[in-house]
Amino acid sequence: EVHLVESGGGLVKPGGSLRLSCETSGFTFNKAWMTWVRQAPGKGLEWVGRLRPKTEGGATDYAAPVKGRFIISGDDSKNTLYLQMNNLKTEDTARYYCTTYNSGYCIDWGQGTLVTVSS
Amino acid sequence: QSALTQPPSASGSPGQSVTISCTGTRNDIGGYNFVSWYQQHLGKAPKVMIYEVSKRPSGVPDRFSGSKSGNTASLTVSGLQAEDEADYYCCSYAGNSLVFGGGTKLTVL
Repeated sequence: EVHLVESGGGLVKPGGSLRLSCETSGFTFNKAWMTWVRQAPGKGLEWVGRLRPKTEGGATDYAAPVKGRFIISGDDSKNTLYLQMNNLKTEDTARYYCTTYNSGYCIDWGQGTLVTVSS
Repeated sequence: QSALTQPPSASGSPGQSVTISCTGTRNDIGGYNFVSWYQQHLGKAPKVMIYEVSKRPSGVPDRFSGSKSGNTASLTVSGLQAEDEADYYCCSYAGNSLVFGGGTKLTVL
């Protein structure tokens, strides 16, 4: 059974940085495509970005609002996905979910971790 | 990439059918057969109900079905049950990115 557990959320000031982690189990992480999706309080889902496995080049793609500020990476030895968030803005306040990904859809979801950007 | 367009709300009585639409462009829904639908109950993580336009993951009741015509995708829930009351989001591949709809709140009357 696939398990995804996000952590690292919290309160951060505008302009600050935060790194989220997503510990995974139940599948072969080093062969998996992974994504981050966020949801602002009371709002809809928003795709953040995705990571290809190293076996397929390891490249990343990002949504326009976070490109240049967020970095997605993975540690195959720890089966863990990361989201490094820099220069945070108030509009980045959201619950952040990590998901497995295949054929254009998000398969399994974690429970998310809440990030609040406020002064 | 603009969000896909969904009606903010939909409703139906138990046993009835309801269809939720999702409109995009030729750059997302119209260009790829990678439309998915997600169900989200209050305070819970989303769950995929439909992928690749019309396929159901194991465990999803066959009351849920999906289709697509041109730039518009649809989710139909037949034989509505109380537990179907939730938010539903469509999603489409858009060439190295994904785009979600704004969500539809489904109420079972």
